[in-house]
Amino acid sequence: GQQVMQIPQYQHVQEGEDFTTYCNSSTTLSNIQWYKQRPGGHPVFLIQLVKSGEVKKQKRLTFQFGEAKKNSSLHITATQTTDVGTYFCAAGGSNYKLTFGKGTLLTVNP
Amino acid sequence: SQTIHQWPATLVQPVGSPLSLECTVEGTSNPNLYWYRQAAGRGLQLLFYSIGIDQISSEVPQNLSASRPQDRQFILSSKKLLLSDSGFYLCAWTRTGNTEAFFGQGTRLTVV
Repeated sequence: GQQVMQIPQYQHVQEGEDFTTYCNSSTTLSNIQWYKQRPGGHPVFLIQLVKSGEVKKQKRLTFQFGEAKKNSSLHITATQTTDVGTYFCAAGGSNYKLTFGKGTLLTVNP
Repeated sequence: SQTIHQWPATLVQPVGSPLSLECTVEGTSNPNLYWYRQAAGRGLQLLFYSIGIDQISSEVPQNLSASRPQDRQFILSSKKLLLSDSGFYLCAWTRTGNTEAFFGQGTRLTVV
């Protein structure tokens, strides 16, 4: 079945540093989504990328979808303590199956 | 607006006891419904998904089952819980044709 590999598993940064998490698939994806889960909470949708090479920005967050639609990244500029949580990528399939990566846990030292 | 309800929020059950977790969605029709499990500090494992009433796809063979008796109701069950069934269970829904998922608050299950 469809799988997405996400790295790194953990990332600890000092407040103000940048952060990037990567998502890779061996197959071409129809779309990729990103979610954030705060500690003790549930995943919350951030964004969906559909087009090859697509780049979207949300304030300090930049999302990219690779040209081959097999990889994606989430970059946070100048992290803040409010960015703490686990960031997941998720691959949507034509059969509506939604498969999540294992997530990257971000901790930020103030 | 659409809302998703999942209950209970926490549950402690003895090994060998049955399980029933319920999830309902309001404000939409014919949603795609999902059950995920998240072990402590781990990723989201897809357990079941459903694109319609009585249409259930199982992703992981185990002692859990799912049912969808009504369009907006999704139930996760077990006849006999195992210790390894402990975890955070999340219900989610998506619109047909749009895979942006909306999650319930989750049920934290501890099997003792």
